[in-house]
Amino acid sequence: DAGITQSPRHKVTETGTPVTLRCHQTENHRYMYWYRQDPGHGLRLIHYSYGVKDTDKGEVSDGYSVSRSKTEDFLLTLESATSSQTSVYFCAGKDRNTDTQYFGPGTRLTVL
Amino acid sequence: TQLLEQSPQFLSIQEGENLTVYCNSSSVFSSLQWYRQEPGEGPVLLVTVVTGGEVKKLKRLTFQFGDARKDSSLHITAAQPGDTGLYLCAGSTGTASKLTFGTGTRLQVML
Repeated sequence: DAGITQSPRHKVTETGTPVTLRCHQTENHRYMYWYRQDPGHGLRLIHYSYGVKDTDKGEVSDGYSVSRSKTEDFLLTLESATSSQTSVYFCAGKDRNTDTQYFGPGTRLTVL
Repeated sequence: TQLLEQSPQFLSIQEGENLTVYCNSSSVFSSLQWYRQEPGEGPVLLVTVVTGGEVKKLKRLTFQFGDARKDSSLHITAAQPGDTGLYLCAGSTGTASKLTFGTGTRLQVML
């Protein structure tokens, strides 16, 4: 979906450093989501937001925090990155009238 | 934790063959979505099914939602090399429409 962009697209960092991934949307989605994708696990929900400053935990939220200061932007923060957080991270936004979610292009994060 | 079991995990077929991918769960979903994902890209929505027993067609792809809204299938007729990719099913639940994903079916269609 061209309405959702993610930055950076690739990042390599060291264990213990903080990392922030950004998701920007132009579709006025109220609900936004962060997922991680790992071999053998598919996509798993980390956190989601149901409005500005309204967020909640997903299935694999430990070690992650999120913030949403305006409708367009949803940030995912790894306070102290670990090697187990090496993954591909996807942001998604939900259509206001249906259950359908539309995904961004992903960020490949490597924690050394 | 809700689980969606997707089968088969891998499928390698010749061009022109038919195939079916299954997505099964013990949980009821408000809707079920099918996505296709290419390497290095995000999942792209193929279809959303909402009503139990619903059948949707997208060219050579036929999607069915089980009567009890716990399972779904994707049938591809006369597969082509352009169908190659990772197919993901995802069930939606709750007011937040949180998605539970299957682990995916990696399809390769050879000439």
